[in-house]
Amino acid sequence: GAVVSQHPSRVICKSGTSVKIECRSLDFQATTMFWYRQFPKQSLMLMATSNEGSKATYEQGVEKDKFLINHASLTLSTLTVTSAHPEDSSFYICSAPPGAYETEAFFGQGTRLTVV
Amino acid sequence: RKEVEQDPGPFNVPEGATVAFNCTYSNSASQSFFWYRQDCRKEPKLLMSVYSSGNEDGRFTAQLNRASQYISLLIRDSKLSDSATYLCVVNPRGNQFYFGTGTSLTVIP
Repeated sequence: GAVVSQHPSRVICKSGTSVKIECRSLDFQATTMFWYRQFPKQSLMLMATSNEGSKATYEQGVEKDKFLINHASLTLSTLTVTSAHPEDSSFYICSAPPGAYETEAFFGQGTRLTVV
Repeated sequence: RKEVEQDPGPFNVPEGATVAFNCTYSNSASQSFFWYRQDCRKEPKLLMSVYSSGNEDGRFTAQLNRASQYISLLIRDSKLSDSATYLCVVNPRGNQFYFGTGTSLTVIP
């Protein structure tokens, strides 16, 4: 099946710095990629939908200037957390929707961000 | 109202027990339903899709009730390795997926 590769798997950064998370589709082209955030003991919450060649769509309450999404190619979507703060510490995960012959979504391995 | 509602648990059951999870969804036009399993600090992995007629995979049985807008997951003969969080996932339209809060299961020796 399709594989989505996400990295880094874990990152610790200082408050005020920016962190970039990459999500690659390895054997298929993903025109759309979903970015989720998961706080401890909570479910995955959709943050935004990245679209290749156009602007990302953000969910209500997600600051687009803080969470920059770029989908420059059909195999790469990036999420940059700008000026990170401790409250941004979370598990970030990307997901590619199913293709024409698949029914399940494919997830990256997730990135655990800790801002100190 | 949330798209998907799920009892977060936790469920603590002895080995060999049968346990059931339920999940309700708000969009009556939803087409696809899934149960995912998520281990601590890992990405969710598909456990099984849920079909209208119900489906079974070994010790796992999934049911869909469209009239009441809920889906269920039954695990028989629980194993220690079944300990995880089980996520109810609904695909109401297009490529969008909505997740329940997850139900935490711990199987005790």
